[in-house]
Amino acid sequence: EVQLVESGGGLVQPGGSLKLSCAASGFTFSGSPIHWVRQTSGKGLEWVGRIRTRANYYATTYAASERGRFTISRDDSKNMAYLQMNSLKTEDTAVYYCILSSITPFSFDIWGQGTMVTVSS
Amino acid sequence: QSVVTQPPSASGTPGQRVTISCSGTSSNVGRNNVYWYQQLPRTAPKLLIYSNNQRPSGVPDRFSGSKSGTSASLAISGLRSEDEADYYCVAWDDSLSGLVFGAGTRVTVL
Repeated sequence: EVQLVESGGGLVQPGGSLKLSCAASGFTFSGSPIHWVRQTSGKGLEWVGRIRTRANYYATTYAASERGRFTISRDDSKNMAYLQMNSLKTEDTAVYYCILSSITPFSFDIWGQGTMVTVSS
Repeated sequence: QSVVTQPPSASGTPGQRVTISCSGTSSNVGRNNVYWYQQLPRTAPKLLIYSNNQRPSGVPDRFSGSKSGTSASLAISGLRSEDEADYYCVAWDDSLSGLVFGAGTRVTVL
């Protein structure tokens, strides 16, 4: 079964940092781009960014609001992806999902269950 | 405010056809593929349509997508109670160099 499991969410103060992890199983992780998407409480979805595969030099792209603060990485040997978040703001409070794209580079085929990040003093 | 615009709500009775619009610009919907997602309450979203009008395996053919110019649409035919959910469109935006979501449309089955 194809599965993504996020972890690492929690409560952090404004200005703080947090690193989310995404554990993948049931598919060839190294061959798929991984995206992160977040959803604020009662609101819609927002794309955070993505990391491509080794064949594409692990290139990363970020939404404008996250550039310079967030970093996406991956470790294909461990079937893991990560989202490092720095200088966190209250508006970063959301459920964060990691997502596999296998049909097309931007098709969000498989979603994790999400991990909640709360930025508050 | 979202770069791509969806109506906040849509409704229909069982068996009816409901259409949701996704209006964008030449830098997103007009130039790139559109994707549609369904989010049932308290669950992660699910891919319904990719590349404007393609259905992943397992998605019923009651769901169909189309695109013309800077607008895209998702149609749900033979509406069922289990179709009550939020629906989102997504497209790559060349000006923003990022993916943009619509704000979502809540479909209610009356």
